Amino acid sequence: DQQVKQNSPSLSVQEGRISILNCDYTNSMFDYFLWYKKYPAEGPTFLISISSIKDKNEDGRFTVFLNKSAKHLSLHIVPSQPGDSAVYFCAASDTGTASKLTFGTGTRLQVTL
Amino acid sequence: GAGVSQSPSNKVTEKGKDVELRCDPISGHTALYWYRQSLGQGLEFLIYFQGNSAPDKSGLPSDRFSAERTGGSVSTLTIQRTQQEDSAVYLCASSLIPQGNKAFFGQGTRLTVV
Repeated sequence: DQQVKQNSPSLSVQEGRISILNCDYTNSMFDYFLWYKKYPAEGPTFLISISSIKDKNEDGRFTVFLNKSAKHLSLHIVPSQPGDSAVYFCAASDTGTASKLTFGTGTRLQVTL
Repeated sequence: GAGVSQSPSNKVTEKGKDVELRCDPISGHTALYWYRQSLGQGLEFLIYFQGNSAPDKSGLPSDRFSAERTGGSVSTLTIQRTQQEDSAVYLCASSLIPQGNKAFFGQGTRLTVV
């Protein structure tokens, strides 16, 4: 049972445009959400997080939106840069912290010139 | 070191053999986690350490899997009598306290059981 779902395995976006990565979850107990970026042969790198008491969190070019009623979150990257090309994982926790994360299967983002 | 370090980076082993995977967390991080990523899957939680104790082992897939942590630092994940389905990338992460808002990951150990 996949509790965190990233239904798009891949996404291609032109440099300078907005990238929108989506994530859905089924467990209503999840109260903390994170996005990680992963380059080949490297471990995931933390990008941005959001608590369930918020519906938006912004950090530079990265913004995460949370829609609790729809059990949906999204990561917006604007403007997209070639260095953003990586696999992006959505993760969720029911502890309010980064412990015991449940991950999605990832979306591979390709930013083209 | 500056980041989470895992060794070896790659391990090929024969079915039935035992393997040990090592994780050196960031100095001072009291919380340590093991995850694994099988082909085409997301990262799967295995076990969580707070100091040297493991309050949550719920993700260990079978009794062939065990982990320990000594001195509140280095952790070893041991897989006994490896099977082909154990082939995956095993990732270790650490955070300053369990209540941290992010965990820092190592580069992983790619285990291949042949």
